[in-house]
Amino acid sequence: SQQGEEDPQALSIQEGENATMNCSYKTSINNLQWYRQNSGRGLVHLILIRSNEREKHSGRLRVTLDTSKKSSSLLITASRAADTASYFCAPGGNQFYFGTGTSLTVIP
Amino acid sequence: DAGVIQSPRHEVTEMGQEVTLRCKPISGHNSLFWYRQTMMRGLELLIYFNNNVPIDDSGMPEDRFSAKMPNASFSTLKIQPSEPRDSAVYFCASSSGTGGGGNTIYFGEGSWLTVV
Repeated sequence: SQQGEEDPQALSIQEGENATMNCSYKTSINNLQWYRQNSGRGLVHLILIRSNEREKHSGRLRVTLDTSKKSSSLLITASRAADTASYFCAPGGNQFYFGTGTSLTVIP
Repeated sequence: DAGVIQSPRHEVTEMGQEVTLRCKPISGHNSLFWYRQTMMRGLELLIYFNNNVPIDDSGMPEDRFSAKMPNASFSTLKIQPSEPRDSAVYFCASSSGTGGGGNTIYFGEGSWLTVV
């Protein structure tokens, strides 16, 4: 399937620090998306990176994609307490498969 | 747009009862997905509809689960009979196309089901 696997499973950092989480997948893709899930809520789209892009920025988010390694990373710079959430990657496919996510805790 | 609308938001039911979860996708979206989320198993894709037709139901756990999409603006997920292990958050989501096409999927707020 096109399910991505996020790593680490959990991450705890101090406010102001950067947070990096990774995603690996198994098949060739046209794009990869990252989503965020706040506790008790549905997933919300953050950013999409296409297979011909190596890096993309959106505000404090930076996403990289290495198609040769079938991996992606999401960097959140200058983290805030409000960034506390679970983060999921979704490799582009007919269905949207999600892994177990990375649970990020930002300590004020 | 109101987004994906799910009902009920919370339901507590007794084992053996029938449970029906409802979803109204975003207008104009032709793909609809039902997911189940638990701590143990994460976010599982149960079934995927495209243009109201079930395309992939391989994630439906067993015959107790059924899903329908009678028209473009409504879908149901039914559990009959319900069991305690069905307790989870059930999400409905919709999209204007596939992930491979670079489309975004929009989630509802979920239906929190507890079976006692």
